[in-house]
This record gives sequence, C-alpha cells and structure tokens, in this order.
Amino acid sequence: GEDVEQSLFLSVREGDSSVINCTYTDSSSTYLYWYKQEPGAGLQLLTYIFSNMDMKQDQRLTVLLNKKDKHLSLRIADTQTGDSAIYFCAAFYNQGGKLIFGQGTELSVKP
Amino acid sequence: DTAVSQTPKYLVTQMGNDKSIKCEQNLGHDTMYWYKQDSKKFLKIMFSYNNKELIINETVPNRFSPKSPDKAHLNLHINSLELGDSAVYFCASSPSGPNTEAFFGQGTRLTVV
Repeated sequence: GEDVEQSLFLSVREGDSSVINCTYTDSSSTYLYWYKQEPGAGLQLLTYIFSNMDMKQDQRLTVLLNKKDKHLSLRIADTQTGDSAIYFCAAFYNQGGKLIFGQGTELSVKP
Repeated sequence: DTAVSQTPKYLVTQMGNDKSIKCEQNLGHDTMYWYKQDSKKFLKIMFSYNNKELIINETVPNRFSPKSPDKAHLNLHINSLELGDSAVYFCASSPSGPNTEAFFGQGTRLTVV
C-alpha cells in the first residue's frame, strides 16, 4: 500500500540541530522529497533524494536515506526561529504516478 | 511572476452551494494536481491531469469535478457543498515523470458554513 508516516511535533532550541524522521512503505519509490510549509503559505520544496543515494547535503540540510528500512530523515543544522514550520516528507509512487505525503512534522524553534 | 496561481485565496460559502476554484500555471508543465489539506494538516491527492487527461482520481465524491481546458489550467468545481468540504485546496504542477519538483500554489481556504 501507499503510506508515508512522520512524527507530528518536534521542539528544539535555536542553534541546535533538528532531525525529522519519516518512514514509507513502497520500496519502489524512486524519489523522496522534503517540503516546508510556513503558516498560511503553500508548500516549498526543500530538497529531494534519489533512491540510489544514501545521503544528500545542501547547506544546512542533510538528508539520509536507509532504503532497506524505508526510512528517511532530514537534519537541519544550526536551527533558527525562521525554520519553524511544518515539514512534509513525500514519496513518489511510480504505480499511479503520484506524490504521497506524510502527515507533516510541526517544528517549533525556541529562542 | 507567479508560477502556480489559484483563485480565490479565500472562499466562504453556505452549504448546498456550487463553487469553483481556478488554477493556472505558467511553467509549461504537463501535469497538474489538486490536493486537499484538512484541519489536521494532512495532505491528500485528489486528482491528477497530464496534458488535459485525467490520470488520478482518488475516491473523491463525484460532487468534485475537475476540468482542464488546456494543460496550463486545472479548475475544480464542487457541487452541493458540505461542511466536511471545508479545507485548504492546493493546486500543483510538475513536468512529467518522477524526477521532478512539484510546484504548489498558495492554496484556497474553503469554509463551508
């Protein structure tokens, strides 16, 4: 089946690292994405990773993929108050050609 | 220039009414989508069109009817609105294929009273 799961909340202090975790069910997913949604706004793509990669780094963002366990994580280094938002993990399911989203993790960054 | 634009941004209407939400993309993408985000922030795909052809229809009540007059537009018409239809509706577009970013509109917040 098609399912993507995330924990719902994460609270960190400014300057700490944040790690948001995600699991997905369909091993045929070739691309996995992280989107950010700020209050009242649409979704903005942060980064994506192809299934034959283990890690991708982009400035303060590091994505780790464990394909065997179908586990994806997003690490934000030196988290800032401006990073407070909801972060969605999404998996592209080749069968049906659709992007399935997790429930979203609400990241709260405290000064 | 706005890549994916939806109108209106807010829509408040009474139960039983019929309403439409419009979506346009100027990115030249082949595929367009409608997603529904409920009060718990869950995002669920409703429809997907590729070059004006319906590809995905995810067990959405037939009160919801998408219309794609050309590949740059995907409108959503909703008949006989119900309280449970209150949500934020997002339009998105992407080039064909999985190795692509889906660009989202700003959303339309629909409130049915």
